[in-house]
Amino acid sequence: GQNIDQPTEMTATEGAIVQINCTYQTSGFNGLFWYQQHAGEAPTFLSYNVLDGLEEKGRFSSFLSRSKGYSYLLLKELQMKDSASYLCAVKEPNDYKLSFGAGTTVTVRA
Amino acid sequence: GAVVSQHPSRVICKSGTSVKIECRSLDFQATTMFWYRQFPKKSLMLMATSNEGSKATYEQGVEKDKFLINHASLTLSTLTVTSAHPEDSSFYICSARSQASYEQYFGPGTRLTVT
Repeated sequence: GQNIDQPTEMTATEGAIVQINCTYQTSGFNGLFWYQQHAGEAPTFLSYNVLDGLEEKGRFSSFLSRSKGYSYLLLKELQMKDSASYLCAVKEPNDYKLSFGAGTTVTVRA
Repeated sequence: GAVVSQHPSRVICKSGTSVKIECRSLDFQATTMFWYRQFPKKSLMLMATSNEGSKATYEQGVEKDKFLINHASLTLSTLTVTSAHPEDSSFYICSARSQASYEQYFGPGTRLTVT
């Protein structure tokens, strides 16, 4: 089975940094995705990690440790528009199915 | 590039009727399409995986006779909710991937309300 855990909610101030953790225990692993989803909209792709380490992409960075079953998404220089739900998803090895965590709702306050 | 559309974006139907939702990949050929449903403030739950020209593979607990999936071409998949009931009210999202990509591209979702 798949067990993917992430915090339910986080609040941060505009301009600050927030780190969203994701731990997973899955029957197989072939990469981890982070998606951003605004209310009532489809998820949009943020990052994909398949090897250990940090991937940086502008204000967003994602880290993976396969041995620990752990990933985090780091959001820097927070802006109001970053208020959204952030979904961690694990890709299964033999097909392209994704198993999603419940999502972390980030609220950015002025 | 990699745009996926869904139609309709919102639909309200009466209990007992059927509703069809279309998912199209606009600028690429989608080898595989996925259908998810999402309850308010919950994550995406995979319902089924469909490959063009073959039968869909349903996740455990999803009734294949109630949620009919057709993937007749490389750019179109449809989900038909048959004999809809109020508990089927949800946000339905499709995604698509091409043969060359590991990434899934998501459609904008369809909000279904059954009265």
